[in-house]
Amino acid sequence: DAGVTQSPTHLIKTRGQQVTLRCSPKSGHDTVSWYQQALGQGPQFIFQYYEEEERQRGNFPDRFSGHQFPNYSSELNVNALLLGDSALYLCASNRGLVLGYEQYFGPGTRLTVT
Amino acid sequence: GQQLNQSPQSMFIQEGEDVSMNCTSSSIFNTWLWYKQDPGEGPVLLIALYKAGELTSNGRLTAQFGITRKDSFLNISASIPSDVGIYFCAGRFDNAGNMLTFGGGTRLMVKP
Repeated sequence: DAGVTQSPTHLIKTRGQQVTLRCSPKSGHDTVSWYQQALGQGPQFIFQYYEEEERQRGNFPDRFSGHQFPNYSSELNVNALLLGDSALYLCASNRGLVLGYEQYFGPGTRLTVT
Repeated sequence: GQQLNQSPQSMFIQEGEDVSMNCTSSSIFNTWLWYKQDPGEGPVLLIALYKAGELTSNGRLTAQFGITRKDSFLNISASIPSDVGIYFCAGRFDNAGNMLTFGGGTRLMVKP
């Protein structure tokens, strides 16, 4: 039973560019959340997708956008990259809105903006 | 910014020692979770707490949901080398699968 998978593992981009990160949820899960984890800090919630719609959003600018596909996989897009966007981006999945089904995290994508 | 304060930020352990860490919030949470993160990996769920006052164990780990709903504690008994890593508390306002607010983490290291 595959867990949450993310691609790519590492990515280096230049300031001003755009990036797309991908996530496949754990089998049986239909909800995907994205988190940004800066070095030495805890993860910060970006947004959550359920039934192909954004359900909740954290305190992140519109440069951060996402999408969920019918097979429940998800993409995170970041436009006009800033140096401060360098971080580990974590994807988490769970079975939506069911008590006791907590979020399982993937290994993350390490984004470096130069 | 983060609303959860974790302490200590880091600590050294010797094999066999008991370890305690805690997490406090200015806001009430209805769910408290504890995760462990190893280098190069995502956080792994250790314990989930859903009721104020609840005490839950997972092997050598025991966590409590504070009665004020503004704090939580994690204890590790008889630590072993593989306990090394970063422990995060996380709170959630509702009970079902929504956004988590994380603390800054407690880094556990082995005494040389």
